[in-house]
Order: sequence, then C-alpha cells, then structure tokens
Amino acid sequence: RKEVEQDPGPFNVPEGATVAFNCTYSNSASQSFFWYRQDCRKEPKLLMSVYSSGNEDGRFTAQLNRASQYISLLIRDSKLSDSATYLCVAKGGGGYNKLIFGAGTRLAVHP
Amino acid sequence: DGGITQSPKYLFRKEGQNVTLSCEQNLNHDAMYWYRQDPGQGLRLIYYSQIVNDFQKGDIAEGYSVSREKKESFPLTVTSAQKNPTAFYLCASSLQGSGANVLTFGAGSRLTVL
Repeated sequence: RKEVEQDPGPFNVPEGATVAFNCTYSNSASQSFFWYRQDCRKEPKLLMSVYSSGNEDGRFTAQLNRASQYISLLIRDSKLSDSATYLCVAKGGGGYNKLIFGAGTRLAVHP
Repeated sequence: DGGITQSPKYLFRKEGQNVTLSCEQNLNHDAMYWYRQDPGQGLRLIYYSQIVNDFQKGDIAEGYSVSREKKESFPLTVTSAQKNPTAFYLCASSLQGSGANVLTFGAGSRLTVL
C-alpha cells in the first residue's frame, strides 16, 4: 500500500465548476499535510498547508480528517489556469520528518 | 531573485556512463534534497543533506551519489549502477526545523538513457 494515495484522474471539468480531490495517508504519526501544484513538465510548488481546523485560501479549501486519515482539496469556480496536477503531501513521523508525496491528481478545466 | 538552478535541463546518456546533475541555490537554505519523479508515481527521495559536508540516503539511493561541499551546491551523480535512470530529477531546498515543511524546487533535469 502506498503511504499517500490519490485518485490519478484526470478530472475534466468546465470552467466555473467545483471540484474536490481526496487523498489518504497510511502513517497515523504524520503531523503535517500540504497540497502542491505541478504544471505539466514543471516543478511542484506549494499551494497550501492543511490544518486540523481546515483552511481556506481564496477559491481553495483544504480539510484534514485525522480519524479517517484523509485530506481533501476543494476548488470552487474553476479557472482554465487551475489545470495542473495536484500533489498531496504528508510529513512522516520519526526522527527525520520526511515529506511523502502522492502521485498526484490531474485536473483539466475546459471552456 | 533567489531560487534554485538546475542544469542541464535535458540530458541524454548512453548506458554505462556516469552523469552529474548540478543544483545551486541562493536562498541561504541549510537543507537540500534530490527527488526522482516517474510517470504515475509520487516523488521519491534519493538523497538529502541538512548541513554542509553531511548527507543521508533517501528511499532510492542505490546507483546515485552526492556531495555537499558548499552550502549552495548539491550535485547528484547518476552512476552506471543505476538500472533505470531515465526520469525527471528534481532538486529542492528548505529551511531547517518547521521550515522544512516548505520545499522550493528547481525546474528539474530530464535524463534519458539511450
């Protein structure tokens, strides 16, 4: 079982749609979680951190459910520029807090 | 502007050759990392370094080597012992402590073995 699992997609949605991605993690000791965005053939960039209480940044909302060990990302009012791959990341427990990356969920927003 | 520079962007290698990928940062970050990305898989950690002259193996270090002689530089050598080296290689850096949550990545080096 992968440590961080995501639905690979692609999610094909029209502009203005609301889309949600889920991600599950296997290490219950993980303390911190993040969403990174990666454009095609580019490097990943931090989109947002995920806090226990949930957090929002404009059209993006991230939530964490520790009991079920999953993280979600909600994108409202999708834009063409949101088309990218979204990587779920968990910071592992233990002596070195390694970041564990999921394989990513691809989003394609069309006119 | 501060950032991470990786070179070359594209590299072709014949089987049996070693190649070295360059990674330089001017962010004054203590920690540096090398990841490998393959289609359908998450980024996998090859090596990381938290301070100069010190580095540790990640999950897939076999067939790779690194050095950290300067804070700004963390080159990765892909040796002939690496069985399947064709991949997208990403260098990253971060602060230490809680700052290690946020990685800044270089633009990547795409290696193809012919």
